[in-house]
Amino acid sequence: RKEVEQDPGPFNVPEGATVAFNCTYSNSASQSFFWYRQDCRKEPKLLMSVYSSGNEDGRFTAQLNRASQYISLLIRDSKLSDSATYLCVVNVRAGNMLTFGGGTRLMVKP
Amino acid sequence: DTGVSQDPRHKITKRGQNVTFRCDPISEHNRLYWYRQTLGQGPEFLTYFQNEAQLEKSRLLSDRFSAERPKGSFSTLEIQRTEQGDSAMYLCASSFWSYNEQFFGPGTRLTVL
Repeated sequence: RKEVEQDPGPFNVPEGATVAFNCTYSNSASQSFFWYRQDCRKEPKLLMSVYSSGNEDGRFTAQLNRASQYISLLIRDSKLSDSATYLCVVNVRAGNMLTFGGGTRLMVKP
Repeated sequence: DTGVSQDPRHKITKRGQNVTFRCDPISEHNRLYWYRQTLGQGPEFLTYFQNEAQLEKSRLLSDRFSAERPKGSFSTLEIQRTEQGDSAMYLCASSFWSYNEQFFGPGTRLTVL
């Protein structure tokens, strides 16, 4: 079983739609959680950190459920530029290695 | 450009050859990480350094792989006797020692024929 699991998609949605991605992680000792975005053939870039209380950054909302070891990302009012792969990432200890899920591919269509 | 840089960006080699990649981290960052990413998968951790000390190695890092960071600045990753299964994107990232965010370089794409 992979340490971080995601539905690979692709999720094909029209512009303006709301889309949600989920992720589960197996290591209960995980302390930090992130969503990274990766465009085709580019490096991953941090989209947002995920906090237990849930957090929002513009059209993006991330939530964490430690009891269920589950992380989510909600994108509202999808834009064409949101098309990318979204990587769920956990970290057992600050400064240590990141453990990535396989990514969920999103394609936003006009 | 003050981000993480990697060289070369692309490398094509024949099976059995040795290859070496270089990573230059963001200058103030004392932690440097190497990851490998194959098509359709997320990056997988290989190893990381704090300054010049190699603190952790993944079991993915077979004895054909070696990484160094001799002066705590740039790092090199060498693969000896390359195999077709080594074909992947090799990503370098850097961070401050206790900070969560890792900044990634553009990667070196290796193709082993």
